[in-house]
Amino acid sequence: NAGVMQNPRHLVRRRGQEARLRCSPMKGHSHVYWYRQLPEEGLKFMVYLQKENIIDESGMPKERFSAEFPKEGPSILRIQQVVRGDSAAYFCASSSGTGDHQFFGPGTRLTVL
Amino acid sequence: AQSVTQPDIHITVSEGASLELRCNYSYGATPYLFWYVQSPGQGLQLLLKYFSGDTLVQGIKGFEAEFKRSQSSFNLRKPSVHWSDAAEYFCAVNDPGGNLIFGKGTKLSVKP
Repeated sequence: NAGVMQNPRHLVRRRGQEARLRCSPMKGHSHVYWYRQLPEEGLKFMVYLQKENIIDESGMPKERFSAEFPKEGPSILRIQQVVRGDSAAYFCASSSGTGDHQFFGPGTRLTVL
Repeated sequence: AQSVTQPDIHITVSEGASLELRCNYSYGATPYLFWYVQSPGQGLQLLLKYFSGDTLVQGIKGFEAEFKRSQSSFNLRKPSVHWSDAAEYFCAVNDPGGNLIFGKGTKLSVKP
């Protein structure tokens, strides 16, 4: 049973480009969470999705960031017009239900030049 | 609002010595508490969790943690540290929506 998968593991973008981060939850999990880890910081919650629905996006920046979890395929975190401050590690987690243990993926490390 | 505080940014212990990593939380109700470990360049691995019941929780890799409601603490302990335990450790609490609120982490270095 594969764990949570994220790709790419490393992503380099120039300022103004778009970044797309993908997350495939564990088999049987329909809840996906995205977290961001800035250097020397803990993880900060960004968004919580279930299939085709955004449940809680209270941690998402209001502009340039969006997330989706379609009926088929992985969850996508999209960052438009990236800036240097977006450089961070982005972690996805999945669970089988609200409040259940979250399993984390290996993360995508985004570097904005 | 819920919050988690890890007072120690960096701790160094000798191999074979005991370890205690501190975690304090702020939460209105009975919390769900977690400890995760992150090795360099890796994702997070769950060490242990507390939902209810026995306040002393056993985890993987020989770790344990004790929930103390009166002190709002959930400190992580290990009686004898191994060099492979060098990593960063995060304490977390569930908010009412099920999302995790993390502390800033404690980096553990192990001296030979």
